[in-house]
Amino acid sequence: KQEVTQIPAALSVPEGENLVLNCSFTDSAIYNLQWFRQDPGKGLTSLLLIQSSQREQTSGRLNASLDKSSGRSTLYIAASQPGDSATYLCAVFTGTASKLTFGTGTRLQVTL
Amino acid sequence: GAGVSQSPSNKVTEKGKDVELRCDPISGHTALYWYRQSLGQGLEFLIYFQGNSAPDKSGLPSDRFSAERTGGSVSTLTIQRTQQEDSAVYLCASSPRAGYRSEQYFGPGTRLTVT
Repeated sequence: KQEVTQIPAALSVPEGENLVLNCSFTDSAIYNLQWFRQDPGKGLTSLLLIQSSQREQTSGRLNASLDKSSGRSTLYIAASQPGDSATYLCAVFTGTASKLTFGTGTRLQVTL
Repeated sequence: GAGVSQSPSNKVTEKGKDVELRCDPISGHTALYWYRQSLGQGLEFLIYFQGNSAPDKSGLPSDRFSAERTGGSVSTLTIQRTQQEDSAVYLCASSPRAGYRSEQYFGPGTRLTVT
């Protein structure tokens, strides 16, 4: 059974810092990995989708990498801003099931 | 364009009552997914539709839960004889097609509270 873990569970950084969020998964036979952000009381917003054949994806200040063989992904956020404060979730698409298995999330707070 | 919409946004119901939650996917998206987000359980898959059929219902927690999709568009998740442990946020997502090549786009969710 696929299990997805995110470390740290919570993170507080001052504005302007670069930061890294970690995601690990137990079954390396994934088809893709997706990073989302969730604001309090809101749904999920897709940030980046990395196919299993890719090593990384970039969107603006966000860069996500994937090391499928070691079961790890990182989300790098450059020059963090207070508006980046949210919970970040990673999710993997595994096996023949057309569904995502989600991680536990990292709650990020960027302070002024 | 319009994103995924869900209604109601909040629902409070008494234990034992039935509830219906509605999801309107992005127009043209053939795949639709239901997930549940509860404290202590994280975000878990319930069911997905390809068109009007549901190839994977493996995540439905009990036979009190059912879902249907009509016209390849709107989906309804029904919970019969609600229990307190059903309290959660129910999220719906759609994607252009089923499978790993398509991103899933999520709605704002329905917060269900069973008293």
